[in-house]
Amino acid sequence: GNSVTQMEGPVTLSEEAFLTINCTYTATGYPSLFWYVQYPGEGLQLLLKATKADDKGSNKGFEATYRKETTSFHLEKGSVQVSDSAVYFCALRGVGYSTLTFGKGTMLLVSP
Amino acid sequence: NAGVTQTPKFQVLKTGQSMTLQCAQDMNHNSMYWYRQDPGMGLRLIYYSASEGTTDKGEVPNGYNVSRLNKREFSLRLESAAPSQTSVYFCASSDVGTSTDTQYFGPGTRLTVL
Repeated sequence: GNSVTQMEGPVTLSEEAFLTINCTYTATGYPSLFWYVQYPGEGLQLLLKATKADDKGSNKGFEATYRKETTSFHLEKGSVQVSDSAVYFCALRGVGYSTLTFGKGTMLLVSP
Repeated sequence: NAGVTQTPKFQVLKTGQSMTLQCAQDMNHNSMYWYRQDPGMGLRLIYYSASEGTTDKGEVPNGYNVSRLNKREFSLRLESAAPSQTSVYFCASSDVGTSTDTQYFGPGTRLTVL
C-alpha cells in the first residue's frame, strides 16, 4: 500500500537558518505529492504540491522537488523565520485515489 | 467564503455517550473526508464521501458512522464513545479530478472522552 515517511522532530533552528525536512514515499506509479502546514490550534493548510516527476512546488519561500528516482519530496527553505514554527506534513495521493496518505508530521521550532 | 466549518470546536464526553460532529463546506466540492489526529500518528482517514450519496471506510472506521446529508454537509457520529476516541477530528473537502484538486481542512474539533 501507499506510505509516507518523514523525519521525526522537533527540528530546532535559529532564525535565518536553512531548513530541510526529509520525506520519502512508497507508492506505485506517479502519485501526487503535497506538503501541508499546521499552525498551533489550527487545521492543515496546503503549502505546496507537485503532480509529476521533476516538478518543483514552491510557496512562501518553501520549495520541494518531486524526485522519482529516490522517491523523495524533501521540503526546503533558505532562511526560516519565527513565524514558520509549525508542524509540517508530507502527503501523497496515489494514482486513481481521491484520498491522501499522510506522514506523521515534523514539528519545526524557530527561535529568534 | 467560509471554506470548511466544523462544530463544535471542543467537546467532553463520558464513556458510552453519543455525539455527532458537524462539517459543512461552501466551495461546491464533490468529496469530503473525516480524519483523526493523534500525537505521533499523523492524520488517519476515518471515512470519506467521494460524491453526494456515497460513503466509504478509511483506515480507522471502527466506532464511527457518517452521513453525507447533501453536497455541503458531512457528519461524523460516535454512537458509544470510548476513551480511545479522544482525539482531534478534522473534516476536509476537495474537488477530485479538477485542476484545483486540493484538500481544504476545517479548524478541527477537540474531543475528550472520559
